[in-house]
Amino acid sequence: DAKTTQPPSMDCAEGRAANLPCNHSTISGNEYVYWYRQIHSQGPQYIIHGLKNNETNEMASLIITEDRKSSTLILPHATLRDTAVYYCIVRVAPVSSGSARQLTFGSGTQLTVLP
Amino acid sequence: KAGVTQTPRYLIKTRGQQVTLSCSPISGHRSVSWYQQTPGQGLQFLFEYFSETQRNKGNFPGRFSGRQFSNSRSEMNVSTLELGDSALYLCASRVGTGGYSPLHFGNGTRLTVT
Repeated sequence: DAKTTQPPSMDCAEGRAANLPCNHSTISGNEYVYWYRQIHSQGPQYIIHGLKNNETNEMASLIITEDRKSSTLILPHATLRDTAVYYCIVRVAPVSSGSARQLTFGSGTQLTVLP
Repeated sequence: KAGVTQTPRYLIKTRGQQVTLSCSPISGHRSVSWYQQTPGQGLQFLFEYFSETQRNKGNFPGRFSGRQFSNSRSEMNVSTLELGDSALYLCASRVGTGGYSPLHFGNGTRLTVT
């Protein structure tokens, strides 16, 4: 799986958009970009994933550059509850049922939403 | 739909003992994987089960084992506990029908070995 690079920490004002960058310059054509977050004392929470098109769901938007070497997770209106460690992961999708490969989590970005 | 449920939430054991952790996946999810999380090592993959068969295994000693039942529930066992086994143990489930279905994690079992 491709290695990812994220800033160790970021701050964001409550109500503003939080833009979390991730570099994955060695990503290959069949690797997806996944974002998870972990709030203290809880398990990681899935946020969003994508291959090459931009994606949006009720939690966030994922913008992937055309060359796929980097991506940005956007939380449109950050709240205090969005304070967490955000992990960007790239991995190959399993080709068959049950042949899933484990996720490799890096150090992530500690996002602190300030009141 | 209920999320991934892990029991117990907290556990304190002494060195040399063994422990069993339990995980109930999201209804309909057939794949269950286990992770160990420590401040120093981060999140490390232990193993993954699908249809009662271990499909993938991380780099942990044989003291760490697991199994999956026909209802997809899973258990993880650690024998001869060591101080270094103190960690948050996370279980995650996924649909397991191929493609790119994401993992859904439980809130973990916090194991303390004294």
